[in-house]
Amino acid sequence: QAGLTQPPSVSKGLRQTATLTCTGNSNNVGNQGATWLQQHQGHPPKLLSHRNDNRPSGISERFSASRSGNTASLTITGLQPEDEADYYCLAWDGSLSAWVFGGGTKVTVL
Amino acid sequence: EVQLVESGGGLVQPGESLRLSCGASGFTFSSYWMTWVRQAPGKGLEWVANIKQDGSEKYYVDSVKGRFTISRDNAKNSVYLQMNSLRVEDTAVYYCVGSAFEYWGQGTLVTVSS
Repeated sequence: QAGLTQPPSVSKGLRQTATLTCTGNSNNVGNQGATWLQQHQGHPPKLLSHRNDNRPSGISERFSASRSGNTASLTITGLQPEDEADYYCLAWDGSLSAWVFGGGTKVTVL
Repeated sequence: EVQLVESGGGLVQPGESLRLSCGASGFTFSSYWMTWVRQAPGKGLEWVANIKQDGSEKYYVDSVKGRFTISRDNAKNSVYLQMNSLRVEDTAVYYCVGSAFEYWGQGTLVTVSS
């Protein structure tokens, strides 16, 4: 099953803004939107946003998600050292009847 | 407090079987789809399977179809993953996930090696 496309890495300075992208197609991201997860080394993932911009309680407003066509984006404003992590997008693919993940983006805060 | 606790991982040889279990608490288990996600060492996340609230729908990633079976017991607040004909490439940490990826267990390591 084909996955979603994410850039392998993004590096930004402290307090800057990072925008992560996740590209799929009309059967997944373009139809159902994307879910975003954050994973720190050695820990289980944490849900940041479900289907575009539904943030669970407790997730900072510095994380915001959006979608344009078949590409979803996660914007992290005011980058903090604790934002260094791997970020994954995923989406339900209606044609495959399967969840598909992106390969993940490693965010480094300089 | 929501808790998902996986068990059943371990070291097995190729071709052998394992059954993973996941016990849930702190939320209305029977109201949510449940999912298994795995992560091979040093690699990204991979969705494995999910199951509807009443068990009437189940979906699998292509690479495990015919070998893995997901099931649940709402009376026991538990979800299972029966893994047969295990392959070296099934080696991973397996996470139990609930409520549209909001709830995650700590994971259980499955190692398939001769």
